[in-house]
Amino acid sequence: SQQGEEDPQALSIQEGENATMNCSYKTSINNLQWYRQNSGRGLVHLILIRSNEREKHSGRLRVTLDTSKKSSSLLITASRAADTASYFCATYDSWGKFQFGAGTQVVVTP
Amino acid sequence: DADVTQTPRNRITKTGKRIMLECSQTKGHDRMYWYRQDPGLGLQLIYYSFDVKDINKGEISDGYSVSRQAQAKFSLSLESAIPNQTALYFCATSDSVAPPGELFFGEGSRLTVL
Repeated sequence: SQQGEEDPQALSIQEGENATMNCSYKTSINNLQWYRQNSGRGLVHLILIRSNEREKHSGRLRVTLDTSKKSSSLLITASRAADTASYFCATYDSWGKFQFGAGTQVVVTP
Repeated sequence: DADVTQTPRNRITKTGKRIMLECSQTKGHDRMYWYRQDPGLGLQLIYYSFDVKDINKGEISDGYSVSRQAQAKFSLSLESAIPNQTALYFCATSDSVAPPGELFFGEGSRLTVL
C-alpha cells in the first residue's frame, strides 16, 4: 500500500494561475518531500519539509505540513508551461524507507 | 555525466527470460533503492540497500532479486520475466544522514515483457 495519497489526481490550469495539490499520509514521518517528474523521466527533488516545520518556501513553491492531520500541500504560484509535469509527495518513515503517493498530473496551458 | 546512471534505458524481452537492470552512482551515497512505476500507481519500492552488506525487501519484492556489487553499484534482476512486470524502473540514492535528505533518481529503465 502507498503511504501518500495526492489530491487531485489531475489539474489543468492556465499560465499565471496558481496550482495547489494536497498529500495525505498514514503513519508518523520524519520528513515529507515533493518531487516533480516530467513525462517518462526521472523524478527531481523540489522541496523537503521536516516534521517539526509547518511551512517552507522555495522560489515559487510553498509547502505546508500539518502533522495532526497527516497532510501536506504544495502550492505553485504564477505557473508556467514548463511546470507541466507530475508531482509526487514522498514520506520518509522511521524504518528508513521513502514511500510515494500516486501523484498529481498538472497541465499548464499558455 | 549523470549522478545516477541506469542501463539499459529501454528493453523489450519475452516471457521467461532473465533480465538485469543495472544502476551505478557517483554521489558517494551508501543508500540505494529500486522502484517500479506503473501508470497511475506512483512508485513502489522493490528493494533497498543501506550499504553493501545490508539489503532489504520493499513492498513488491516477489519475482525480483538484487545484488549490491559495490557502494556505487546496485543491480535488479528479474529471474523469469512475466508480462505484468512491464513497467518503468527507477534506481535512486540517498545519503546516510538520519533522517536522509533527498533521493537522487536515475532516468529510468523502461522494460516491456511480451
